[in-house]
Amino acid sequence: EIVLTQSPGTLSLSPGERATLSCRASQTVSSSYFAWYQRKPGQAPRLLIYGASTRATGIPDRFSGSGSGTDFTLTIGRLEPEDFAVYYCHQYGSTPPTFGQGTTVEIK
Amino acid sequence: QVQLVQSGAEVKKPGSSVKVSCKASGGTFSTYAFTWVRQVPGQGPEWMGGIMSIFETPNYAQKFQGRLTLTADEYTSTLYMELSSLRSDDTAVYYCARDTGYTGYDFWGQGTLVTVSS
Repeated sequence: EIVLTQSPGTLSLSPGERATLSCRASQTVSSSYFAWYQRKPGQAPRLLIYGASTRATGIPDRFSGSGSGTDFTLTIGRLEPEDFAVYYCHQYGSTPPTFGQGTTVEIK
Repeated sequence: QVQLVQSGAEVKKPGSSVKVSCKASGGTFSTYAFTWVRQVPGQGPEWMGGIMSIFETPNYAQKFQGRLTLTADEYTSTLYMELSSLRSDDTAVYYCARDTGYTGYDFWGQGTLVTVSS
């Protein structure tokens, strides 16, 4: 199975700063089947990005995804208070689908 | 807009089984694919299995083969996830989600906490 490794584990930033989250795959992933999710305490994951770079419905344009092959990035342009959460990468082009272990974006 | 509403929290003994439901509303249930994901505290989400169509045989992660049964009831638009031979390390929040295939898992249930404890 494809292992997704996210870095850093925790990102401590202030509102207004830019966040850059990385996800590295143990083997090549189809960009068409790569997503990012946001999860807040007590809530279900929320789809942010699919196809590596396409924002899901209703997702603000401060969220952007990029990457291909084995290296993918989620960028949050300017952090809003509601963006402090845990973010997971996900590949769903290879069975079994797998997720990263998460990056926590916390308020500095 | 698809809504998925799951059944409530469960506490189970080791060796027993749990059955979690996920009721869908909005849209055409029989045309959707669904997946089940669980999240153990402190870990990333873990795919358990999915139903590409309620009329097809479910797919199961190898880890859960023989212990997991996914079913769907077309008439009540409800999915079911049954996990047997429960162990303490099955303690997790279990989610159902719609699997769009190309665009990821776009709608999720609220999650069901299953606690396995003697």
